Amino acid sequence: QLQLQESGPGLAKPSETLSLTCTVSGGSISSSDYFWGWIRQAPGRGLEWIGTIYYSGRTYYTPSLKSRVTISVDTSNNQFSLRLTSVTAADTAVYYCARQGESSSWYDSWGQGTLVTVSS
Amino acid sequence: QSVLTQPPSASGTPGQRVTISCSGSSSNIASSTINWYQHLPGSAPRLLIYFNTLRPSGVPARFSGSKSGTSASLAISGLQSEDEGDYYCAAWDDSLNGPVFGGGTKLTVL
Repeated sequence: QLQLQESGPGLAKPSETLSLTCTVSGGSISSSDYFWGWIRQAPGRGLEWIGTIYYSGRTYYTPSLKSRVTISVDTSNNQFSLRLTSVTAADTAVYYCARQGESSSWYDSWGQGTLVTVSS
Repeated sequence: QSVLTQPPSASGTPGQRVTISCSGSSSNIASSTINWYQHLPGSAPRLLIYFNTLRPSGVPARFSGSKSGTSASLAISGLQSEDEGDYYCAAWDDSLNGPVFGGGTKLTVL
């Protein structure tokens, strides 16, 4: 059974960089059938797509975050990562990684999510 | 403000049927398939309905989805207390070139 697990610091200071890693187990991140995404949920708000990566390294980002986001993949360790620069309090959220279908809003496996708080 | 519009809340008593709506536009709902997610407290979101009407393995048949034009709906029949949580619709948006979600509907079982 596919499992995803987010890891990384739970606290980031304003203007610094948020870095998270998603480790995939029970399946290969190099599968040609799937993409891998990051989604977040700020307190009291709905789900927001951050970006998506394919095992080849091809990426797609939401326009509102594109200038600050980098998603990368490490196929040797079956992981993909999120970097968000110049964070503010508005970036405080639970961050989820998930397996995604191509050009789709279909996410069939999700990590448990990790809360990242931006505060000095 | 979310691209897809859902009512913020819905409620029903055990055994009742409730419907949650999701409204969008020609660039998302009308041109793509709709997925629904159930987000229970303390858990990861769970794919509930995919490709408008299909249920993943393990999802009870009392959950059903439909789509017409720029709107979609999730119906839950035989409401149970464990259904209490948040429900999100999602669609691919051609303008964004990415997935968009509804704001979520908080379902309360009275």
